[in-house]
Amino acid sequence: GENVEQHPSTLSVQEGDSAVIKCTYSDSASNYFPWYKQELGKRPQLIIDIRSNVGEKKDQRIAVTLNKTAKHFSLHITETQPEDSAVYFCAARRAVWSEKSVFGPGTRLSVLP
Amino acid sequence: GAGVSQSPSNKVTEKGKDVELRCDPISGHTALYWYRQSLGQGLEFLIYFQGNSAPDKSGLPSDRFSAERTGGSVSTLTIQRTQQEDSAVYLCASSLGLAVSADTQYFGPGTRLTVL
Repeated sequence: GENVEQHPSTLSVQEGDSAVIKCTYSDSASNYFPWYKQELGKRPQLIIDIRSNVGEKKDQRIAVTLNKTAKHFSLHITETQPEDSAVYFCAARRAVWSEKSVFGPGTRLSVLP
Repeated sequence: GAGVSQSPSNKVTEKGKDVELRCDPISGHTALYWYRQSLGQGLEFLIYFQGNSAPDKSGLPSDRFSAERTGGSVSTLTIQRTQQEDSAVYLCASSLGLAVSADTQYFGPGTRLTVL
């Protein structure tokens, strides 16, 4: 089955700097890659996603890139702000009825003022 | 429309007692997931439903844990003979579950279980 690794496990950046979180997956048939943000005490929520027919997707200060050959995808946050501090989870899924989404272990991002 | 709801929001029980946790997914969502999250930890997958079937129950930690889903909607996670290590937040998520579409999961607020 699918296996998703995520690095780093913790990341501290200065406010205004960029943050990059990388995930690798094992199943070359996976074709949907979402990123979720979980603030302290709250539920995870989708912030951006990418499908396998696209190499990059941007939404304001966040972007996701996908390298299908290398089987990795990354989350990029530019001009970080304190409210970006949270745990970020990546996930991968193969669009087959019986296959579930598989989450990475998470990255705790701290944006220092 | 309404999001995913879970009940109860908090549950305190004594070791050895059974508990039932309920999840109401978004209407029309065929896929339903249960996760467990201990304080400061990641999402531990428990079980995955498509409709009323559970194609993947590989994450259930022991035979004390079981889950069912009836009518392709509401799901119940049951923990028998609770242990202190079962204390965690139990999160439910639902998604459209379509085979050829993005499969965004929408999470419920969770049930915080404390076993004394």
